[in-house]
Amino acid sequence: AQKITQTQPGMFVQEKEAVTLDCTYDTSDQSYGLFWYKQPSSGEMIFLIYQGSYDEQNATEGRYSLNFQKARKSANLVISASQLGDSAMYFCAMSYLEGAQKLVFGQGTRLTINP
Amino acid sequence: DSGVTQTPKHLITATGQRVTLRCSPRSGDLSVYWYQQSLDQGLQFLIQYYNGEERAKGNILERFSAQQFPDLHSELNLSSLELGDSALYFCASSALPGRANEKLFFGSGTQLSVL
Repeated sequence: AQKITQTQPGMFVQEKEAVTLDCTYDTSDQSYGLFWYKQPSSGEMIFLIYQGSYDEQNATEGRYSLNFQKARKSANLVISASQLGDSAMYFCAMSYLEGAQKLVFGQGTRLTINP
Repeated sequence: DSGVTQTPKHLITATGQRVTLRCSPRSGDLSVYWYQQSLDQGLQFLIQYYNGEERAKGNILERFSAQQFPDLHSELNLSSLELGDSALYFCASSALPGRANEKLFFGSGTQLSVL
């Protein structure tokens, strides 16, 4: 069964520092996608970054990069130069095909950026 | 702004009642997904539609039903509501029905409170 594990329930980081949010996944599928979403206190789910299982290069989107280590089954999110507005819940998710595409989420990491 | 529109943003109702949540997908997206986010269960996949047809079911209760209309908007109907149905309900959309690398974009969610 597909599973996402986020081992950091909460993280506290100083503004302008880089932060790494951990995510490991478990699947026997060859084709899958890995996502990171941000959920601020207002509740919406904001798409941040995506990595396909066949992508050889790590994905980057502005200050976000995904450190994809396929053999280790990890997909850590790196946020460079953190900002106060980065304070939010962050969810790692994996998509897989079971009849149709489904997305399984981790439990999330609450990131707090301190001034 | 993800381009996925959900209404209403908040809904407060009583046990035993029935409610309808509405979702309009991003322009051009044919596939709609419904997710439930609760404190104890996290984010759970409920159901997926593609171009009007049901494609996949997840942990959706029999008291819940959904449909996708010809204009591609979708409605999630929740009936005989219980206190435990209180949750944030998300709609997401994607262009295609089922590739593992298909990106999902989420709406802002409907916060349902059952009193």
